[in-house]
Amino acid sequence: DQQVKQNSPSLSVQEGRISILNCDYTNSMFDYFLWYKKYPAEGPTFLISISSIKDKNEDGRFTVFLNKSAKHLSLHIVPSQPGDSAVYFCAAIKYNQGGKLIFGQGTELSVKP
Amino acid sequence: GAGVSQSPRYKVAKRGQDVALRCDPISGHVSLFWYQQALGQGPEFLTYFQNEAQLDKSGLPSDRFFAERPEGSVSTLKIQRTQQEDSAVYLCASSPRGSSMEKLFFGSGTQLSVL
Repeated sequence: DQQVKQNSPSLSVQEGRISILNCDYTNSMFDYFLWYKKYPAEGPTFLISISSIKDKNEDGRFTVFLNKSAKHLSLHIVPSQPGDSAVYFCAAIKYNQGGKLIFGQGTELSVKP
Repeated sequence: GAGVSQSPRYKVAKRGQDVALRCDPISGHVSLFWYQQALGQGPEFLTYFQNEAQLDKSGLPSDRFFAERPEGSVSTLKIQRTQQEDSAVYLCASSPRGSSMEKLFFGSGTQLSVL
């Protein structure tokens, strides 16, 4: 069963506009959510995270929103830049599960100049 | 280097062959993780070490998969009698301490192709 789902395999956005990447999860026991970014031929790199006790976390151009009642989180990138073009993975974890991140399938973002 | 290093970068194996994948974590990092990423999917957890202790191996798909970290630094993931379904990118990650909420630092992965 897919506990973390990213239903959009790809997203195309114009440079300077907002990118919104979505993620849904099924397990209400998750304590922490993370977004990782992956360029081709490289490993994923950490982007931003949010605890389940919060509903928003912001870091520069990146903001993550968490809606626990809907079991939904989203990553907003404003303004989008061509260098943001990559695959974005949503991940979730339970506090007592060590580093056992549960990843979504990923969304490939393309930011066009 | 300062990052997580994995070798080889690419590995082609004939079905039934044994393979060994190496991971050099960031120096001093306590925790080390192995993930498997199939084409078009997100990474899936395989196993987790804290220093030399393997604390969780629940994600290993079968007893053909074996991981070790004997001195608490370098780790090796061994796959015996490889099958075509083992074809994937194998990612190693490390983190400074043992907190489950720490961000992980990933290597570039080993792409395994089983023919």
